[in-house]
Amino acid sequence: EVQVVESGGDLVQPRGSLTLSCIFSGFTFSDHYIDWVRQAPGKGLEWIGRMRNKANSFTTEFAASVRGRFTITRDDSRNSVNLHMNDLETEDTAVYYCARVRPRTDGMDVWGQGTTVTVSS
Amino acid sequence: DIQMTQSPSSVSASVGDRVTISCRASQGLDNWLAWYQQKPGKPPKLLIYSVSTLQSGVPSRFSGSGSGTDFTLTVSSLQPEDFATYYCQQTLTYPLTFGGGTKVEIK
Repeated sequence: EVQVVESGGDLVQPRGSLTLSCIFSGFTFSDHYIDWVRQAPGKGLEWIGRMRNKANSFTTEFAASVRGRFTITRDDSRNSVNLHMNDLETEDTAVYYCARVRPRTDGMDVWGQGTTVTVSS
Repeated sequence: DIQMTQSPSSVSASVGDRVTISCRASQGLDNWLAWYQQKPGKPPKLLIYSVSTLQSGVPSRFSGSGSGTDFTLTVSSLQPEDFATYYCQQTLTYPLTFGGGTKVEIK
């Protein structure tokens, strides 16, 4: 069975840092890209970043709203991916989701349960 | 950035109704369009990718169509479990972008 367990959400002060984690199981993790998506309270979905697989050199893409502040790492030996968030702003308050990307056709077909990040003093 | 505009933003419908949701992109997407369903407190669920390909396990009452910049999600006969918010997403270019969502409510 394909599963994702997300963790790491917390209350953090503005300009603080936080790392979110996802651990995947039930499939060949190393084959897939992983995306991060967030949803501010009462708002729609916002794609924030992508980590490609080893075959594509573990390269990343980010939305402008987080570029330079957020990074993504992955450890294929542990089937895990981390979202490292620095210099957090109140506007970063949201539920954060990691998601597996379908190969070749795109689309996020396996989602974590979400973890809540609150940025507030 | 590619802007994705969904309409309507909300729709009231009854069980058994046919519901159509539109999604317009600010530039052509080829086949790089997906649709998601989200229920309150839950992560989104992939319904359709590549404009019209049904994700495994999704009921056949859901269908996607369109080309270029104009796309449609249709639910042929709305069921109680279909009341939710629906999002389109383009995956042609970065940043990947979602539409603003369409909430399907019970009439």
